[in-house]
Amino acid sequence: GESVGLHLPTLSVQEGDNSIINCAYSNSASDYFIWYKQESGKGPQFIIDIRSNMDKRQGQRVTVLLNKTVKHLSLQIAATQPGDSAVYFCAENIHTNQFYFGTGTSLTVIP
Amino acid sequence: DVKVTQSSRYLVKRTGEKVFLECVQDMDHENMFWYRQDPGLGLRLIYFSYDVKMKEKGDIPEGYSVSREKKERFSLILESASTNQTSMYLCASSQGNNQPQHFGDGTRLSIL
Repeated sequence: GESVGLHLPTLSVQEGDNSIINCAYSNSASDYFIWYKQESGKGPQFIIDIRSNMDKRQGQRVTVLLNKTVKHLSLQIAATQPGDSAVYFCAENIHTNQFYFGTGTSLTVIP
Repeated sequence: DVKVTQSSRYLVKRTGEKVFLECVQDMDHENMFWYRQDPGLGLRLIYFSYDVKMKEKGDIPEGYSVSREKKERFSLILESASTNQTSMYLCASSQGNNQPQHFGDGTRLSIL
């Protein structure tokens, strides 16, 4: 089956620095991707999404980049804040009602 | 904002019991999902439903069943709970295909 993985399980950044979280996907037919944030004790929260006809999408302090050539997705968080500390994971959707989720990267922001 | 509400945050049950986990969404979404989340494994799909009284098996349906009698409510049933079903259970809903799924805060279920 398809797999969605992350390059690093943990990431620590200084407050105010930019964060980059990466995700690799295996199915070239995937056409829709989502980044989620999960804080301790809470459910995953939608951050931003991108469709395969785009290679970049920006939100408030977040940018998602999609490289279909190498099947790679990244989430960039600008000016990282303590409230950004959480687990981040990507999800891919392949023409069905189902998503495949990565295991997540734990982001720790150091004050 | 979409609100997905799971009836219990924490639940402790005994082996062999029949367990019901309830989920309600308030956005008239067509699709609803049940996942379990275990350390190092990510989210795994148990069952989903794309319409009232319709259900589809996900990746790990064994030992579970679901019920969707009303559009806003999707129930997960553990027919005879076992210790390997101790996990975090997450419910989600979405408007349709290729749309974001919105999650509840989860039910942490312990089977003793």
